[in-house]
Amino acid sequence: DILMTQSPDSLAVSLGERATINCKSSQNVLYRSNNKNYLAWYQQKPGQPPKLLIYWASTRESGVPDRFSGSGSGTDFTLTISSLQAEDVAVYYCQQYYTTPVTFGQGTRLEI
Amino acid sequence: QVQLVQSGAEVKQPGASVKVSCKASTYTFTNYGINWVRQAPGQGLEWMGWINTYNDYTKYAQKVQGRVTMTADTSTSTAYMELRSLTSDDTAVYYCASGPVGYYEKSGYYPEYLQHWGQGTLVTVSS
Repeated sequence: DILMTQSPDSLAVSLGERATINCKSSQNVLYRSNNKNYLAWYQQKPGQPPKLLIYWASTRESGVPDRFSGSGSGTDFTLTISSLQAEDVAVYYCQQYYTTPVTFGQGTRLEI
Repeated sequence: QVQLVQSGAEVKQPGASVKVSCKASTYTFTNYGINWVRQAPGQGLEWMGWINTYNDYTKYAQKVQGRVTMTADTSTSTAYMELRSLTSDDTAVYYCASGPVGYYEKSGYYPEYLQHWGQGTLVTVSS
């Protein structure tokens, strides 16, 4: 199984500041035939299901604010929130879908 | 807007089975796979498995293999997840999530990202 490790486990950022969450996979999730990274990011607020933010490592889901961006390739990925808003307080998960079983990172709790 | 509506909370005794439903609407059911993900209290997300609603192909996580069955009824656009021989470790919120289906020439169909999620079903296993 591919192990997904996020850092940090928790993060406190001031309103309007940048937040950066890292995700490292134990194996490469870049499929060379199509040059796509099989990596997604999700946001989960208390009492709610997760919400897809980013897929293919850097493609923003429809309706997701452009302050959210994803980057990275191979085994190292980053979710960046350029200017933190109060509504961004949540737990964030990375996920690989390069192979089954699909696996998630342990989550990063983002606070203000 | 895609909607996935799950069945209500369940309380089960150890050793029993539970069957959770997930009804999809406003999209062509067979165009997307259905994943099942669970979240134990205060814990992270655990993928349990996936069904390709186009051909009923399933893939299960090893942890629940042998105890889980995922099915899909295309006539009602409803997916089901049945988990048997329940223990207290199965206490969790269970989510269904739909997403695109990919295809590798060598290994066939596979689940991609989880695009739309149900509201979750709390399953409590307690004597």
